[in-house]
Order: sequence, then C-alpha cells, then structure tokens
Amino acid sequence: GEDVEQSLFLSVREGDSSVINCTYTDSSSTYLYWYKQEPGAGLQLLTYIFSNMDMKQDQRLTVLLNKKDKHLSLRIADTQTGDSAIYFCAERGLTGGYQKVTFGTGTKLQVIP
Amino acid sequence: DTEVTQTPKHLVMGMTNKKSLKCEQHMGHRAMYWYKQKAKKPPELMFVYSYEKLSINESVPSRFSPECPNSSLLNLHLHALQPEDSALYLCASSQAGIGEEKLFFGSGTQLSVL
Repeated sequence: GEDVEQSLFLSVREGDSSVINCTYTDSSSTYLYWYKQEPGAGLQLLTYIFSNMDMKQDQRLTVLLNKKDKHLSLRIADTQTGDSAIYFCAERGLTGGYQKVTFGTGTKLQVIP
Repeated sequence: DTEVTQTPKHLVMGMTNKKSLKCEQHMGHRAMYWYKQKAKKPPELMFVYSYEKLSINESVPSRFSPECPNSSLLNLHLHALQPEDSALYLCASSQAGIGEEKLFFGSGTQLSVL
C-alpha cells in the first residue's frame, strides 16, 4: 500500500514560520492536500496542489511539491496560537483499482506564545 | 451551508447493542464517506458512496453496515461491536466525479464500546 509519512511533532514560537514536511511513495498521486484537525473536531481542508505544480500560495500558507523526491511541505507564515493543531498531509492516487485519498501520520504543531 | 453534521457527538454502547450513526450534508455533494480514526492516528477509509450507491468497501467487518437513504444522508449501523472498535467515526462528503476530491468533514462521533 501507499505510505505517507510525517514527523510527529513541531514546536514554534508565535510569529515565526512553521514548516511541516511530508513524504509519500505513490507515484500515481494526482492531488496532494493539507488538512488541519483541532481537538475534538473533524478535519478541515486548508489547501491542495495538483501534482504538475511545484508551488501554491494562499495567504499565510505556502505549499511546495518536489514530485521527483515525493516530498510535500506546508509553510505557515507568522504562526499564531490558533494554528496549534494536528496537520495531515494526504495524497490522492490509484489504489486497488480505484482513486483513493490516503492520509499521512499527522504532525502536531505546538505554538508557544 | 458548508457543514457536514454528525449525530450523536458521543456514544457509549455495549457489545450486544445496536446503534446508528447519522450524517447529513446540504451542499449537493454526491459522494459521501465514512472514516474511522483511532487516537493519534490518521483517518482510515471505511466506505464510499457515490450517487447513493456503495462504491468502495475497504474490507470492513459486517458488524458495520452503511446506508445511504438519499443524497443528503448517510448512516452507519452498528451491531455486536468489539471494544477495539472504539474510535472517532468521521463522515465526509465531496463533489463526485471532480478530480480534486476536496473532502468536507463532520466533527465526528466519539464511540466507546464497553
């Protein structure tokens, strides 16, 4: 099956930039996503990128994709305490004959005031 | 309305009970999903409905029975569950047939099986 790996934990100071990294193995990935999950809540789609793009910017969020290395990153500029959450990357690829979204292991972002 | 609403928020059940989880969306999405999420783990796909028909069953045990009565509603019927089935059950929806498959999630039902 496909593996989508992330580091478990990241701690940053308020106002700094955060960079959350993700690696995946599925070469058939068409779309890659970043979701945010706050405690006791569902997942919220933050942004996504098509696999033929290498960068996408959306306000404080910048997504970088290195398709050759199968590496995805999410940069959050001017990180705020409200950004504290678990961040999941996800990729949409062909698995078992059908398109499926597979989530990464999740990175817990802690923002220190 | 961009919400996916799940009820109940919390559920405690015994191994002999029968219960149902409910999910509703009014975004006109024709794809609906059930995911299971254990603590500190990513969501795992269980079922996908596309145009009210079951299109994906990720080899889920038969004690979980999904139902899609109409394009806005999705149910998950539970029977004879095991303690290891305790988890957060998330419903999601998306536009069907659209490449980017943006998923909109509900807040989930936290299920405890005693």
